[in-house]
Amino acid sequence: AQRVTQPEKLLSVFKGAPVELKCNYSYSGSPELFWYVQYSRQRLQLLLRHISRESIKGFTADLNKGETSFHLKKPFAQEEDSAMYYCALITQGGSEKLVFGKGMKLTVNP
Amino acid sequence: KAGVTQTPRYLIKTRGQQVTLSCSPISGHRSVSWYQQTPGQGLQFLFEYFSETQRNKGNFPGRFSGRQFSNSRSEMNVSTLELGDSALYLCASSPLAGVGYNEQFFGPGTRLTVL
Repeated sequence: AQRVTQPEKLLSVFKGAPVELKCNYSYSGSPELFWYVQYSRQRLQLLLRHISRESIKGFTADLNKGETSFHLKKPFAQEEDSAMYYCALITQGGSEKLVFGKGMKLTVNP
Repeated sequence: KAGVTQTPRYLIKTRGQQVTLSCSPISGHRSVSWYQQTPGQGLQFLFEYFSETQRNKGNFPGRFSGRQFSNSRSEMNVSTLELGDSALYLCASSPLAGVGYNEQFFGPGTRLTVL
């Protein structure tokens, strides 16, 4: 079955510290993975997708098929990065749907 | 462009009742998807509509249904409400079909409480 696991619910770091938000997936096909973010009092929005291989707001994520992981990283966290982060996977073949992890709350302290 | 709007924003119902939630996508967007968000299960995909047709469906019972109108507005209906249906229901729209291949723009959600 398709599954996305975000093993940590909370992460608190100081401004300027490196950040890694972990995401592991279980999927038999070729995965398409995403990170979504929800800032306080804002709507859920797409942060980045692995297929684009882009860096958004200093965040990057590399798909590691061997470890079935798609961890989100940023070398120097900023206070405005504080938010809920959700890792998601598209299932393909038959019924296409987005499968989300349960999310992780990142707090960046001044 | 105005964002995705959902009405009502808050709703209280009792067990056994039915409820209809509405979603108006961004102008020009033809795909509308629905999600249920609960503390226990997180975000779960309900279904996607495109051009008035249901394209994909998540693993929810038949009590959950939806439809899309010719102007792309969508409604979601839950019949015979159960306590466990209490959740935030999110709607998202995108220009084209496919929940993942096109960026989805989310609405603020409708908070449903079932007593």
